[in-house]
Amino acid sequence: EADIYQTPRYLVIGTGKKITLECSQTMGHDKMYWYQQDPGMELHLIHYSYGVNSTEKGDLSSESTVSRIRTEHFPLTLESARPSHTSQYLCASSDPASGGNYGYTFGSGTRLTVV
Amino acid sequence: AQSVTQPDIHITVSEGASLELRCNYSYGATPYLFWYVQSPGQGLQLLLKYFSGDTLVQGIKGFEAEFKRSQSSFNLRKPSVHWSDAAEYFCAVGALDNDMRFGAGTRLTVKP
Repeated sequence: EADIYQTPRYLVIGTGKKITLECSQTMGHDKMYWYQQDPGMELHLIHYSYGVNSTEKGDLSSESTVSRIRTEHFPLTLESARPSHTSQYLCASSDPASGGNYGYTFGSGTRLTVV
Repeated sequence: AQSVTQPDIHITVSEGASLELRCNYSYGATPYLFWYVQSPGQGLQLLLKYFSGDTLVQGIKGFEAEFKRSQSSFNLRKPSVHWSDAAEYFCAVGALDNDMRFGAGTRLTVKP
């Protein structure tokens, strides 16, 4: 049973379109993340958030933006999609209640294809 | 800088055989170590984690992993593989949440 939800699961869109990938979690976790996953490559962190009104860029340069207006919601937006944005996008959350890192809970991902 | 290496891109084992997936890491401090599994079309699921204490940790689905500081390794093992274990496995290292590094994954195929 998923506690973190990503929509859509699959998206094919034309170049230049604006898209928003949705991510919601029901666990009340403060910390949320967006990763980009390509076959045979390590996962790359593109954005993260420590809580409401907190957003940071990750180590992978990305043309996307994120927002965190509510604890449970962490959408990712591409203002103008390009074929180079074709990838799988994974959302995750964590709740290190006493500090440290107890692992992430991941959504099922959005597979984006830009044609 | 921290990094994770999974030397095996793809491993094939027969059902019922034992399994070991290798993970080597580079980290400047005491690491938090993780193994995740990803089934096709799904996100990653946490199998097990190591923070401190006993270097042999047990996880879900019958998996275990052993932390060896001297070898900078955290190999994943299972005594008897089931067909449902076919998936991609990711090792990860980190301490701070935004400091997590994932390996490139090892794809496991299980032969009948």
